[in-house]
Amino acid sequence: SAVISQKPSRDICQRGTSLTIQCQVDSQVTMMFWYRQQPGQSLTLIATANQGSEATYESGFVIDKFPISRPNLTFSTLTVSNMSPEDSSIYLCSVDLTGSGQPQHFGDGTRLSIL
Amino acid sequence: DAKTTQPNSMESNEEEPVHLPCNHSTISGTDYIHWYRQLPSQGPEYVIHGLTSNVNNRMASLAIAEDRKSSTLILHRATLRDAAVYYCILRDPYNNNDMRFGAGTRLTVKP
Repeated sequence: SAVISQKPSRDICQRGTSLTIQCQVDSQVTMMFWYRQQPGQSLTLIATANQGSEATYESGFVIDKFPISRPNLTFSTLTVSNMSPEDSSIYLCSVDLTGSGQPQHFGDGTRLSIL
Repeated sequence: DAKTTQPNSMESNEEEPVHLPCNHSTISGTDYIHWYRQLPSQGPEYVIHGLTSNVNNRMASLAIAEDRKSSTLILHRATLRDAAVYYCILRDPYNNNDMRFGAGTRLTVKP
């Protein structure tokens, strides 16, 4: 099991600004994932962040809009850049403890509203 | 990517068993079947997973069809706290190893 902490838990931001979301894990993990959950919708994978390499983005998500850092095995950040109301969502990080098909563990997400 | 199909919603009475179905007709030989649930205002929570054989844990049971093209999550005695969205996900540890969420099944438990 793993304990995942996300900060902030929620925020209200002005359009055009950027926000960095932090994800801290209580153990070292190789694979971390970032998801977006739009209101009333399911989760959509944004990118996979492995320590020591560039993040891999899914179709429809680009690095300029969602830059990701992965400086060590317990921490990652996701920045939502130049925000618009369409970016209002819950952003979640998850980790894969073993990278072998075992369960992923999720944080409780960052609820982001853009005015 | 192999996809899953689940009913949009289901209802159950408290203390009764619940069978949540999932179809995955295009499953590959290396896909694991994972179930997660998401309670209101929380991130998804792991429930159970399996490859070929039926699996049991303290939360639920997973029944996997012999041809692996469908599976059923079984909650033996539903409680009000089991009300959540349940996601059936295929995950291939040898190919990307990421998880793609479908729409899931919203389970309502009536007292």
